[in-house]
Amino acid sequence: DIMLIQSPDSLAVSLGERATINCKSSQSVLYSLNNQNYLAWYQQKPRQPPKLLIYWTSIRESGVPDRFSGSGSGTDFTLTINNLQAEDVAVYYCQQYSATPHTFGQGTKLEIK
Amino acid sequence: EVQVVESGGGLVQPGGSLRLSCTASGFSFSTYWMHWLRQGPGERLMWVSRISYNGGIITYADSVKGRFTISRDNAKKTLYLQMNSLRVDDTAVYYCAGASNGRWHWGQGTLVTVSS
Repeated sequence: DIMLIQSPDSLAVSLGERATINCKSSQSVLYSLNNQNYLAWYQQKPRQPPKLLIYWTSIRESGVPDRFSGSGSGTDFTLTINNLQAEDVAVYYCQQYSATPHTFGQGTKLEIK
Repeated sequence: EVQVVESGGGLVQPGGSLRLSCTASGFSFSTYWMHWLRQGPGERLMWVSRISYNGGIITYADSVKGRFTISRDNAKKTLYLQMNSLRVDDTAVYYCAGASNGRWHWGQGTLVTVSS
């Protein structure tokens, strides 16, 4: 199974500042035939389902503010949230869909400092 | 508008069975791979099973293999998960998701509680 390790487990960032969450995969999730990294990012608020933010590593889902951006390739990926807003408080997960089982990171809890 | 709605959750005793359903609208169900995922209390998300658009390819997580069966009815735009021999550690919110070209559409989830 592909393991995803997120860092940090939690972080507190001031309003208007930048939050950076990392996701490291135990194997590459880059598919050479289409040169795509099969990596997504989700936001989950309490008692809500996960909300897709980013897919194919860096493509924002429709309706997601451009404050959210994704980057990386192979085994190392980053979710960046610029100009942090109060509504961004949530747990963030990375997911690989390169191979089954489609695994998730352990989650990163983002709070306001 | 994309909508994915799960149903069928509830309280069941260990060793019992439940059948979850998931109805979809707002996207071309018959061209999407469909997945079941779950999240236990305080736990990370876990992928459970998937089925290809025509049902020809089915895959399960090791922890549910031999106990759970995924199926779909494209005419009814409905996905199913038959869960047998349920265990306490199957307790979770179960989510249905449709996936195509990297985009996953998730439902709100249905709670399954396995307890005596």
